[in-house]
Amino acid sequence: EAQVTQNPRYLITVTGKKLTVTCSQNMNHEYMSWYRQDPGLGLRQIYYSMNVEVTDKGDVPEGYKVSRKEKRNFPLILESPSPNQTSLYFCASSPLAGDTYEQYFGPGTRLTVT
Amino acid sequence: DAKTTQPNSMESNEEEPVHLPCNHSTISGTDYIHWYRQLPSQGPEYVIHGLTSNVNNRMASLAIAEDRKSSTLILHRATLRDAAVYYCILPRLGNLIFGKGTKLSVKP
Repeated sequence: EAQVTQNPRYLITVTGKKLTVTCSQNMNHEYMSWYRQDPGLGLRQIYYSMNVEVTDKGDVPEGYKVSRKEKRNFPLILESPSPNQTSLYFCASSPLAGDTYEQYFGPGTRLTVT
Repeated sequence: DAKTTQPNSMESNEEEPVHLPCNHSTISGTDYIHWYRQLPSQGPEYVIHGLTSNVNNRMASLAIAEDRKSSTLILHRATLRDAAVYYCILPRLGNLIFGKGTKLSVKP
C-alpha cells in the first residue's frame, strides 16, 4: 500500500532533550516536506526537500533541522526542543517538486514539550 | 502570494450534492487550484486540482470560473465520511498554504 509513515505518533518530552521524528514514504517520491499544525494558524511548512541531499527552509524553520540521505526518508530533528514547538507535525511527499502534483500526507505526530 | 477565501462552515444532508465555494481573485495565470480535506484526527488528504478546465475524479468535481477568480468543489453525493475541513489552496513551489478552510458537516 502506498503510504507515508511517521514515528512516533505521540511524544511527550522535556525542554532541551534532542528528538527525531521519522518520516518514510514507499512511493519513490522525490519531493518531501514537513508541516506543523497549530490551532488558529493552520498548517505551515517547516522544511522541504526536492531530492536526496537537497533541502531548503520553509516558512517556519527556526529550531528544526532535516536531512535527506535516502530518497524514502526525511527525518525532522529538534536539537533542543522548547515548549513553543508543541504541535501536530505532518510529513508529506509528492512525485516531483511543483504545483501540478498531489501531495500525500502522513498520519501526524503529536509532540508535547514540557 | 495569492490568497483564498472560503466560508467558515457549511452543512449538507447525506446523499445530497455539496458545492463548496472558493474565491481567489488575485490568482495568477500559472497558479494551480488544489483542494485538500482533513478528516478529524487525520492528516490532510488530496481531493482534486486543476488549472483552467473543469476536472473530475472519483472523489469530486472541480468547477473553475472562466476568469479563474473563483472555483467550486462539488461532492456529488455527500456521505457521513465526507464530514471534514476542506481547504482550497494555491500552491507556491510545492508549499501548500493552508488557510482556515470550510468545515463541512453532513447530517444523516
